[in-house]
Amino acid sequence: GAGVSQSPRYKVAKRGQDVALRCDPISGHVSLFWYQQALGQGPEFLTYFQNEAQLDKSGLPSDRFFAERPEGSVSTLKIQRTQQEDSAVYLCASSLTRTGLMMNTEAFFGQGTRLTVV
Amino acid sequence: QKEVEQNSGPLSVPEGAIASLNCTYSDRGSQSFFWYRQYSGKSPELIMFIYSNGDKEDGRFTAQLNKASQYVSLLIRDSQPSDSATYLCAVKLKGSNYKLTFGKGTLLTVNP
Repeated sequence: GAGVSQSPRYKVAKRGQDVALRCDPISGHVSLFWYQQALGQGPEFLTYFQNEAQLDKSGLPSDRFFAERPEGSVSTLKIQRTQQEDSAVYLCASSLTRTGLMMNTEAFFGQGTRLTVV
Repeated sequence: QKEVEQNSGPLSVPEGAIASLNCTYSDRGSQSFFWYRQYSGKSPELIMFIYSNGDKEDGRFTAQLNKASQYVSLLIRDSQPSDSATYLCAVKLKGSNYKLTFGKGTLLTVNP
């Protein structure tokens, strides 16, 4: 596709429900990132994939959060037993290169999934 | 102290004026700096990046970096109402060549 595509755009979950958020990166992009953006805040890093390898998951807030990218393309962020504090916009971004080879690698962001836990 | 700090604003300027957006960062070893624009309800989009001290100009936008003062700014000349958005400063901190650390953003309003 032309850009990073995320689905669903909006998700309302009851507390305790499991959710799965999908990201389709730009075709051919090696690097994929998940960020969490709370209302009125900047995005905060969650996790990073290079192809199918999850190289950094240091930003995942708890073991209820799990991300995968099994074939090095589409990625899914899963949140188990959602809590109210999980309410945020979840942004996916992708970039062409293995970052580190180019300092100015541009990360293209998707429109995000707005998760509301009630 | 937060790693990347921005004045949350709102910053209000009249149409045609220069808007000045500021950002400070705590990690002296940081190497790359980015400005993203985010319209309400939309995704962040990259406006500029800079990694050398001094100024970098692109059209109406100028990024300024002063590593000694740990300060990066974005100037928008001839501000237009369409520039009204939240501007996010992002930094790749020392030791990370992929992770962006964002400030909370500055809301800019350009009044016609």
